[in-house]
Amino acid sequence: NAGVMQNPRHLVRRRGQEARLRCSPMKGHSHVYWYRQLPEEGLKFMVYLQKENIIDESGMPKERFSAEFPKEGPSILRIQQVVRGDSAAYFCASSPGQGGLNGYTFGSGTRLTVV
Amino acid sequence: SQKIEQNSEALNIQEGKTATLTCNYTNYSPAYLQWYRQDPGRGPVFLLLIRENEKEKRKERLKVTFDTTLKQSLFHITASQPADSATYLCALGYNNNDMRFGAGTRLTVKP
Repeated sequence: NAGVMQNPRHLVRRRGQEARLRCSPMKGHSHVYWYRQLPEEGLKFMVYLQKENIIDESGMPKERFSAEFPKEGPSILRIQQVVRGDSAAYFCASSPGQGGLNGYTFGSGTRLTVV
Repeated sequence: SQKIEQNSEALNIQEGKTATLTCNYTNYSPAYLQWYRQDPGRGPVFLLLIRENEKEKRKERLKVTFDTTLKQSLFHITASQPADSATYLCALGYNNNDMRFGAGTRLTVKP
């Protein structure tokens, strides 16, 4: 059981480029959550997805950010036209059911640096 | 507005003492509360969950309390060890919703 796999671990993008972050949930988990963490700050909720559905995207900026969790393949967090303020660690978590009654399993994160 | 506040950004204690971390919340009515540990450069690791109808939960050297009247949870690590040094996050959850996290408390246990 490989746990939650995120890639890449580190991503450097120039301003204006696109960033694509991937997350493969734990085997058997169909619920995926994306969080953003700035240095010395807590995890900020972005979006909650199930297979082929966005359940809650209330924490995701309306512009430039999008997320998907297709029937096949990993969940993707996409940031278009990145700006310096997008630099952060992005964590993905998964759970087997709705809510967090079993606790979330987190990946090791993708550290995005915009130069 | 909804807020989750964890006591002081950093807590330093001596090895062998009990560490007590606080999580206060306002304008929430969570069904449960969780505590996670996060080491530098890593993702959070789930430690304990306590439901709204539970007063206390224990797991080895860890103890969590949940007071829905005070809107507060306390997280205790007894007989602390330097290996317990990490950032500890509390998170609030609802039955059909996602989790919201506090900013964390960085614990340092000195030998």
